[in-house]
Amino acid sequence: AQTVTQSQPEMSVQEAETVTLSCTYDTSESDYYLFWYKQPPSRQMILVIRQEAYKQQNATENRFSVNFQKAAKSFSLKISDSQLGDAAMYFCAYSPPRFGNEKLTFGTGTRLTIIP
Amino acid sequence: EAGVAQSPRYKIIEKRQSVAFWCNPISGHATLYWYQQILGQGPKLLIQFQNNGVVDDSQLPKDRFSAERLKGVDSTLKIQPAKLEDSAVYLCASSLGQLQLAKNIQYFGAGTRLSVL
Repeated sequence: AQTVTQSQPEMSVQEAETVTLSCTYDTSESDYYLFWYKQPPSRQMILVIRQEAYKQQNATENRFSVNFQKAAKSFSLKISDSQLGDAAMYFCAYSPPRFGNEKLTFGTGTRLTIIP
Repeated sequence: EAGVAQSPRYKIIEKRQSVAFWCNPISGHATLYWYQQILGQGPKLLIQFQNNGVVDDSQLPKDRFSAERLKGVDSTLKIQPAKLEDSAVYLCASSLGQLQLAKNIQYFGAGTRLSVL
């Protein structure tokens, strides 16, 4: 079974600085998808960024980028120029590629605090 | 486009009572998911529908939980009878369900927070 581990329960960063959230996963699949979701106090999970395992290039979305190390099964999220609105729980998630079975397996989350 | 709608937002019940949650996915999304998120944990999949058929319900406690998706659109999740450990946020998500188009992206509703006393 696939597992996702987030070893940092809490992180904090000064506004405008850069922070990196860590995630490792375990799978025997060669092709899969990885995600970072953000969950603010409103509870709605919001997709931040997505990585396809067969792509070597790291995904980027504006201030958000990932460092995907497939051999090490590591998938970290870097947030540049942190803003107050970035404060939330961040969840790393894994999904197999098989059509009809795209369920997400989540880590336990990292609570990110932005210090003004 | 409208997002995934869920109701109610909050529900407080006593143990052994029953409760139902409702979800309306994004229009045109064939796949619907129910997740349970216990405080301090990541969401865990309870059940996945493809149109009105069940794809995966391996982690659904079937002695007390049931779910249906009539006509392949709206879905309801029911708990009967509720236990203290059912206190959690119940999240509904949907996706297009066609691999190339969906790219495995799920869109979530705001969830229902259930407190069982």
